Amino acid sequence: DTGVSQNPRHKITKRGQNVTFRCDPISEHNRLYWYRQTLGQGPEFLTYFQNEAQLEKSRLLSDRFSAERPKGSFSTLEIQRTEQGDSAMYLCASSSRRPGGRGYNEQFFGPGTRLTVL
Amino acid sequence: KNQVEQSPQSLIILEGKNCTLQCNYTVSPFSNLRWYKQDTGRGPVSLTIMTFSENTKSNGRYTATLDADTKQSSLHITASQLSDSASYICVVSAGGGGYNKLIFGAGTRLAVHP
Repeated sequence: DTGVSQNPRHKITKRGQNVTFRCDPISEHNRLYWYRQTLGQGPEFLTYFQNEAQLEKSRLLSDRFSAERPKGSFSTLEIQRTEQGDSAMYLCASSSRRPGGRGYNEQFFGPGTRLTVL
Repeated sequence: KNQVEQSPQSLIILEGKNCTLQCNYTVSPFSNLRWYKQDTGRGPVSLTIMTFSENTKSNGRYTATLDADTKQSSLHITASQLSDSASYICVVSAGGGGYNKLIFGAGTRLAVHP
């Protein structure tokens, strides 16, 4: 257990429905990341927050995807009008800069939410 | 284009044997290289992190090497156990800004059989 939690762990939905996932990072971490991972591939970056500010979004994040981190703590990832191609594992990670130096920015991953769109 | 390539794609070994997984990368500017272990249906867990100046790092039965000149890394697993069955992902961090972007390989799927 890395200290990063994600809910739900599994979600099955019908095409066209909206879904929302939640990530609770390690409490003192100010950076939070979302990734998508399809079978047999490594995770792909979606977006990243520093505190409550969303600082970078991948081109993978279409208009149907939105992420928020309203108070700089937990984050939500919403997918609207889901498509079968959205079926994947959605991973959240958090990190904190090492005080006084550049640091490694080591990212600690949650267990993921597996989305299946029927 | 920043890329991380891993070989082999999959590997089957017998319990107690050693194995070595390979990673080649073209990432610039390079910040550090990490190996993660990912059990089926779980998130990745960090095994080792190496910066440009480090060429070897161990974590128990896992030993990672880095050759920054040839842009190659390897992960050696000694005396494998059934619990080592997982995907092993090589990840290179691209620096140059406030946020170090992680470039992931596709992973090597290791199966350890009794």
